[in-house]
Amino acid sequence: GAVVSQHPSRVICKSGTSVKIECRSLDFQATTMFWYRQFPKKSLMLMATSNEGSKATYEQGVEKDKFLINHASLTLSTLTVTSAHPEDSSFYICSAAIPGMGEQYFGPGTRLTVT
Amino acid sequence: AQKITQTQPGMFVQEKEAVTLDCTYDTSDPSYGLFWYKQPSSGEMIFLIYQGSYDQQNATEGRYSLNFQKARKSANLVISASQLGDSAMYFCAMREVAGNQFYFGTGTSLTVIP
Repeated sequence: GAVVSQHPSRVICKSGTSVKIECRSLDFQATTMFWYRQFPKKSLMLMATSNEGSKATYEQGVEKDKFLINHASLTLSTLTVTSAHPEDSSFYICSAAIPGMGEQYFGPGTRLTVT
Repeated sequence: AQKITQTQPGMFVQEKEAVTLDCTYDTSDPSYGLFWYKQPSSGEMIFLIYQGSYDQQNATEGRYSLNFQKARKSANLVISASQLGDSAMYFCAMREVAGNQFYFGTGTSLTVIP
């Protein structure tokens, strides 16, 4: 199946700093990528839909100025957590959907810890 | 209303036995897709099986099969011959043709007992 990579897998940062997470589709072109956040033992919460060449679509309640999403190419989307705070600590997962009714392919996730 | 409902927060099954994980969905879109994902403790989401709303037959992938009952709007996952490595969280998801968004259930934690 299709492969999606995510980098870094783990990151620890200090409060007030910014962290960038990369999501790449390795063997297919993804016009649309998705960013999710997952709290321990909870389901995935969609944060935003990232569209190549246009602005991301954010879900209600997600601060677009805090979670900056850039989909610069058909294989790369980035999520930048700006001015991170401890409450931003979470597991962030990206995914890419092959056009049509195909499944979403998920990256391995990034565990962010803000101290 | 919840798009995807998984009513079993935790399930136990004896090794080599079969287990059914429940999933019901809610949509008015005539065309949609249903998915099951496995999430082990490492966190990665592993695609297991897909069922399209117009598929006549239940999907099967190795030890996984999807019991699709369209009129009841249910898409239960059946795992046959459970293995210790099947212990994980399992998420049911739906994608409507109208949009790209996936809707996820709250998940079921499956524990396989030796």
